[in-house]
Amino acid sequence: QKEVEQNSGPLSVPEGAIASLNCTYSDRGSQSFFWYRQYSGKSPELIMFIYSNGDKEDGRFTAQLNKASQYVSLLIRDSQPSDSATYLCAVRFASGGSYIPTFGRGTSLIVHP
Amino acid sequence: DTEVTQTPKHLVMGMTNKKSLKCEQHMGHRAMYWYKQKAKKPPELMFVYSYEKLSINESVPSRFSPECPNSSLLNLHLHALQPEDSALYLCASSQASSGGASREQFFGPGTRLTVL
Repeated sequence: QKEVEQNSGPLSVPEGAIASLNCTYSDRGSQSFFWYRQYSGKSPELIMFIYSNGDKEDGRFTAQLNKASQYVSLLIRDSQPSDSATYLCAVRFASGGSYIPTFGRGTSLIVHP
Repeated sequence: DTEVTQTPKHLVMGMTNKKSLKCEQHMGHRAMYWYKQKAKKPPELMFVYSYEKLSINESVPSRFSPECPNSSLLNLHLHALQPEDSALYLCASSQASSGGASREQFFGPGTRLTVL
């Protein structure tokens, strides 16, 4: 069973703080990891993807991957109220050539002024 | 063009109606997906088309019938739905090949379906 685990939250942080979102996955052979942001009633929007161990930075967002520990995280620096949304972690498992990512349940982030 | 479009945005239908959802992309992606999403739940995969052929059907009831007329279009035909089928229906597309490590999906805005 391929599983992606996220704490549903909500995670509440003050404006300007660093928000840290975590995701663990069950399959050690997983290849690609994605973070999506979803506002209420809207569709998921890709923020970042990462497939190598270490950090990947894009503006205020940093994705961190640790394959040995089977976790991937997303850091949001200088959090803004507009960052309040559900963050979905998706993992593409190494399974028969399929590239269908499996989604976690999502973590609700609230950034309060 | 990096956009996936979906029509209609909203759809209300009775249990005896027949309707269709449409999805279109012009990114040259050869994999297209239908997802169903209920409130406060992650997207749930329904179907995958790869090179215009149905490659995955996640045991979806036959009242949902997908169609991929060409590499840019994906339809979902609906017939005799139940109220519990009310949800946000999302279309996504991605590159499709056996190589590469990313293959991120791009989602359309979704169709909000209500079955009365």
